Amino acid sequence: GAGVSQSPRYKVAKRGQDVALRCDPISGHVSLFWYQQALGQGPEFLTYFQNEAQLDKSGLPSDRFFAERPEGSVSTLKIQRTQQEDSAVYLCASSVKDRFVEGEQFFGPGTRLTVL
Amino acid sequence: GQQVMQIPQYQHVQEGEDFTTYCNSSTTLSNIQWYKQRPGGHPVFLIQLVKSGEVKKQKRLTFQFGEAKKNSSLHITATQTTDVGTYFCAGGGYSSASKIIFGSGTRLSIRP
Repeated sequence: GAGVSQSPRYKVAKRGQDVALRCDPISGHVSLFWYQQALGQGPEFLTYFQNEAQLDKSGLPSDRFFAERPEGSVSTLKIQRTQQEDSAVYLCASSVKDRFVEGEQFFGPGTRLTVL
Repeated sequence: GQQVMQIPQYQHVQEGEDFTTYCNSSTTLSNIQWYKQRPGGHPVFLIQLVKSGEVKKQKRLTFQFGEAKKNSSLHITATQTTDVGTYFCAGGGYSSASKIIFGSGTRLSIRP
């Protein structure tokens, strides 16, 4: 009965380093979302996958951010040449629904990224 | 673009008092969801409202969706210390390009 898992839970990177954040959604969930949550703010949408297809990446803040879900299950969010403003908690969520805006989203515990 | 505003930002109440948070969208929503995030935790789904004027209750929590589907509220009756956390609304639009937009949340703290 596993929920959404994310790894690592914490990541400290030096400015300019590349990082990769992993998300394991609930088995069988069609939709997968990535969010960025700054301290004291609500989750901010980054990108959305329906199975292996990335249907919306309009929230990715720059071309340094890249996400993939090649087999329609595990997803990786990669940030190249990290900057201090990338410091945040990165949340992954999955949903059994295949409609983007409907259905309960199950969130993972998040990865707290700190860029020094 | 679509914006979702939430007020108040903070609310500090005596245990047993009621609490309300309000959510307003700049555009008509297809649905609204409410999540609770405990300190140090991740958002946990509470409820989804879809119909105009819909009211749903979960024990001491009452959720409303406005007639125009542009606003919503969450009311907690007789707060308990277990209610502590940040409550987020998240609105979804109608177009195929719409996404769930989260409000900035209302942080509830409680004096025992």
